[in-house]
Amino acid sequence: GAGVSQSPSNKVTEKGKDVELRCDPISGHTALYWYRQSLGQGLEFLIYFQGNSAPDKSGLPSDRFSAERTGGSVSTLTIQRTQQEDSAVYLCASSQNRGYNEKLFFGSGTQLSVL
Amino acid sequence: DQQVKQNSPSLSVQEGRISILNCDYTNSMFDYFLWYKKYPAEGPTFLISISSIKDKNEDGRFTVFLNKSAKHLSLHIVPSQPGDSAVYFCAASDAGKSTFGDGTTLTVKP
Repeated sequence: GAGVSQSPSNKVTEKGKDVELRCDPISGHTALYWYRQSLGQGLEFLIYFQGNSAPDKSGLPSDRFSAERTGGSVSTLTIQRTQQEDSAVYLCASSQNRGYNEKLFFGSGTQLSVL
Repeated sequence: DQQVKQNSPSLSVQEGRISILNCDYTNSMFDYFLWYKKYPAEGPTFLISISSIKDKNEDGRFTVFLNKSAKHLSLHIVPSQPGDSAVYFCAASDAGKSTFGDGTTLTVKP
């Protein structure tokens, strides 16, 4: 399809393990965002990529979290040594550019459960 | 400190009546405001937006009102339909970076 694709849709892991979450943005979209939604909470900004610029990492909650975007397209969010509080839905979004009238196109998210 | 607040976690209305969802913000640098709608197991989808230079934007059954002096915006849905039942997120943008509220769950009863 032409939308934002995320995989896996569900991930169950044990505390202390590393996980990788993948996002395929809409073709041609230069901006890519990661958000997470904990149970009963709103969307928490994690990280933003725009073209070849340095990413905005201001929302990453700890140094266990990292993300990369290869070739200006696919992005991977990595969480090392997962903790139970990392359990949440991780949402990826893309947009044509980080401009003024910005609306985001979201994927369906990855539900991460840390046991 | 939460910059975008949706103080009502839930709202229930009768089909055909008006739904009013509210949102307050604290950062005066926000220059663009958006509403997103989210169904279970799906990502949020864009619904309607408004620039800070306007006070109203209408799109079919959906109207967003902005009161800058009060730092308040609202989304009106009229007439409400059962298919409108979803979680609605308010978002405020500063130079393109969006901050989201916690969402309001709207239930429209047939």
